[in-house]
Amino acid sequence: EPEVTQTPSHQVTQMGQEVILRCVPISNHLYFYWYRQILGQKVEFLVSFYNNEISEKSEIFDDQFSVERPDGSNFTLKIRSTKLEDSAMYFCASSDPGQGAGGYTFGSGTRLTVV
Amino acid sequence: QQQVKQSPQSLIVQKGGISIINCAYENTAFDYFPWYQQFPGKGPALLIAIRPDVSEKKEGRFTISFNKSAKQFSLHIMDSQPGDSATYFCAASRFFSSGSARQLTFGSGTQLTVLP
Repeated sequence: EPEVTQTPSHQVTQMGQEVILRCVPISNHLYFYWYRQILGQKVEFLVSFYNNEISEKSEIFDDQFSVERPDGSNFTLKIRSTKLEDSAMYFCASSDPGQGAGGYTFGSGTRLTVV
Repeated sequence: QQQVKQSPQSLIVQKGGISIINCAYENTAFDYFPWYQQFPGKGPALLIAIRPDVSEKKEGRFTISFNKSAKQFSLHIMDSQPGDSATYFCAASRFFSSGSARQLTFGSGTQLTVLP
């Protein structure tokens, strides 16, 4: 079964440093997403990406965040200057509208720890 | 109006028992209601989902009951097993106003423990 792959599985960074979280979506999917889950809390939407541009973003997705699809396979989330409160599990997801509303697949996540 | 409220926060059930998790929503723009199962260190995995034109959907031991007028839906796990121990999230989905991608709004999660 096709998977969404995320790397690294765990990243520790110092406050103020830049981090890049990487994702390989399912190859024939057209929409890509980042969601965040702070420990013990619910999963929250960050951003959606379609046709090489951001299609929607939440209020969480401020100027310190950016997304990019640098090549035909990778989808990245960059956090420019990390804060302690950025510590969370970050999930990448992709979807194919042709599969209807159920075509959302999540990766296993990257646990980001900011110290 | 974007919230999805989920209860209980945690649930302990004996093996073979029935686990019931409830969710409520407000936004009538939601048109798809999935449940996700999440094991520690893993991403949410789609378990079962329902559209609002259906009142019940059953897949194996998992059943969603949907009450459109009350804006409530629930997950029933019959014959609960220790392997079902996980965090369960209800969610509600709608198209973004741009009409392209879909947004998932998650409930706060229920930590289910099934005792052997």
